[in-house]
Amino acid sequence: NAGVTQTPKFQVLKTGQSMTLQCAQDMNHEYMSWYRQDPGMGLRLIHYSVGAGITDQGEVPNGYNVSRSTTEDFPLRLLSAAPSQTSVYFCASMGRGAGWGEQFFGPGTRLTVL
Amino acid sequence: DQQVKQNSPSLSVQEGRISILNCDYTNSMFDYFLWYKKYPAEGPTFLISISSIKDKNEDGRFTVFLNKSAKHLSLHIVPSQPGDSAVYFCAASARNFGNEKLTFGTGTRLTIIP
Repeated sequence: NAGVTQTPKFQVLKTGQSMTLQCAQDMNHEYMSWYRQDPGMGLRLIHYSVGAGITDQGEVPNGYNVSRSTTEDFPLRLLSAAPSQTSVYFCASMGRGAGWGEQFFGPGTRLTVL
Repeated sequence: DQQVKQNSPSLSVQEGRISILNCDYTNSMFDYFLWYKKYPAEGPTFLISISSIKDKNEDGRFTVFLNKSAKHLSLHIVPSQPGDSAVYFCAASARNFGNEKLTFGTGTRLTIIP
């Protein structure tokens, strides 16, 4: 199993550009989520999904869009990038049953917006 | 409003001694608590968790203690090893209330001195 994969690893954008951060998991997990990590702020939840076709907002959703058309994929879209969105983005997934509550994280995408 | 707080940004401990990382929370609906470990340029990895029905959970060198009345939990690592040097995040959720979202603390950077 590859676990949770994220692409790209690094990205530089100009203000106003749009892009999609990709996230995929091969563990058949129902729950997927996106976090951003900023210095001194810990990890903050952007959006999450409890299953295909179902998404909801987290703590800091503004400027981001998500969709969940399959169980495996949960892309994060930046609609019009702003310097405040410079951050490290982590995708995570969680399954039900044994170990429920333990989220598995991808390696992260480091995004810089100029 | 920071619902999960880790008041020590950093901690240095001699190899072989005990490391104690602390976490406080304010939301009384939280009933499930987790610790994650994060190395540079990697995603967080799950370390240990505890349900609010317990006051202690042990896994090898790692023990988590929960004091519900004080809304405080701690992670003990004994003995500390150089590979334990990482950033540790405390996280909480309100699973029994149908809320699987994790709220993270700001992290404590643990350095083990050989």
